[in-house]
Parts: sequence; structure tokens; C-alpha cells
Amino acid sequence: QSALTQPRSVSGSPGQSVTISCTGTSSDVGGYNFVSWYQQQPGKAPKRMIYEVTKRPSGVPDRFSGSKSGNTASLTISGLQAEDEADYSCYSYAGSYTWLFGAGTKLTVL
Amino acid sequence: QVQLVESGGGVVQPGESLRLSCAVSGFTFVTSGVHWVRQAPGKGLEWVAFIRSDGGNKYYADSLRGRFTMSRDDSKNTLYLQMNSLRPEDTALYYCTRDSNWGPDYWGQGTLVTVSS
Repeated sequence: QSALTQPRSVSGSPGQSVTISCTGTSSDVGGYNFVSWYQQQPGKAPKRMIYEVTKRPSGVPDRFSGSKSGNTASLTISGLQAEDEADYSCYSYAGSYTWLFGAGTKLTVL
Repeated sequence: QVQLVESGGGVVQPGESLRLSCAVSGFTFVTSGVHWVRQAPGKGLEWVAFIRSDGGNKYYADSLRGRFTMSRDDSKNTLYLQMNSLRPEDTALYYCTRDSNWGPDYWGQGTLVTVSS
């Protein structure tokens, strides 16, 4: 069970769009439409921003969107805002009731 | 509303055991599975274990199987994680989280486990 691959960091200016990738294998990301994305502010518990690849929980701004192509899932944040600065982690079902996290990506809003 | 409150963390020496608890409210174990997830200091999140809503089946990360055991007491709405033969690399903040749509939605605030001599 290897962690999913994410870039260590991404950055963007307010108003811009950024995309964070999450690469796995056909046994996890590519094999199931059960990818979630979590936002984590310093010292806080993670907050789910996307589930089942593209769905947004109630209360999450529509600036956040998810997608998947093959073994890579992506989180796109459009209209970047200062409060979006946080760590973002992907999470995928990997079959047989096991799950994998990505190592996390630090988003910096310039 | 949904709440999960972890407890039981602390400082232990390598090789010792610890039992974490997770008291839940706002939902029942009959309707939702629950995950344990941990986060080492300055590191990313790591899935630890999952118990299904039927309570009969528990699943563990390969690296932990045999040392960690998950259980629950439905009468107390409390989940447990028994951790044996602890190692320094088990040092982390341990979260319990409710499963929804094949991934965690609600999270507790975590309980810190430190394994050090």
C-alpha cells in the first residue's frame, strides 16, 4: 500500500486557478470513483472538499471542483482566495475495504 | 450534530501498549462505518483502520496488521483502537472519522500518541 503521489507544493495568485494532481494506480484511483479531497488548515482537523471524484459537500464553494482521468485525480480551485491557503490531501478507496492517502500538497496563495 | 471525540493518547515507551477511545454522537455505528486515520508530526495523513457498520469486519493498513486492533461498544457509542508493541514511528495524532460515501466526512480533533524512550 503506497501513498498516492501529489506535488509537494503549488502556488497561485488571488483570482487565479490552481490544480493539484493525485496519481495512483488502476487498483485505487483508476479502479474506483471513490476519491475524496481534504483541506487542512494548521492545527485543525481535515475538512472534506470533494467526494466521489466530483461531488461537493454542502457548504463547500463551487470554486472547488474535482475530476479524474485514468489513474490521476485532480482538484481545481478557481478564483483563488487567501483563505484557500492550506494543505490538500487526496484519499482513494483501494479495494477490499482499504484506503490510501496522498502525501499532501501545500497550497500557497501569493 | 455529528461529533467524534478521541481520548486515551499519551506518552509511552517503545514496546508498550495504549488504547484509544472515540466517543461518537449524532449518528450510530449501525448506520456508518468508522475509520482511524493518523498524522505524524509534520507529515501527511495515513489511513490506519476501518470498521464496517455491521461491526463484524475490521480492516487494517498492511503495515499495522497484527499490532493494532479495532473494536466498538454499541451501548456506549464508543470505538476503540488497541495499539500493542508501539514503535517510535507510531508517534502521531490519531483521528477517528465517520465514513460516508466511501471516505471520511466528519472528523474528531484527534488524540496525540508519543512513543519515546
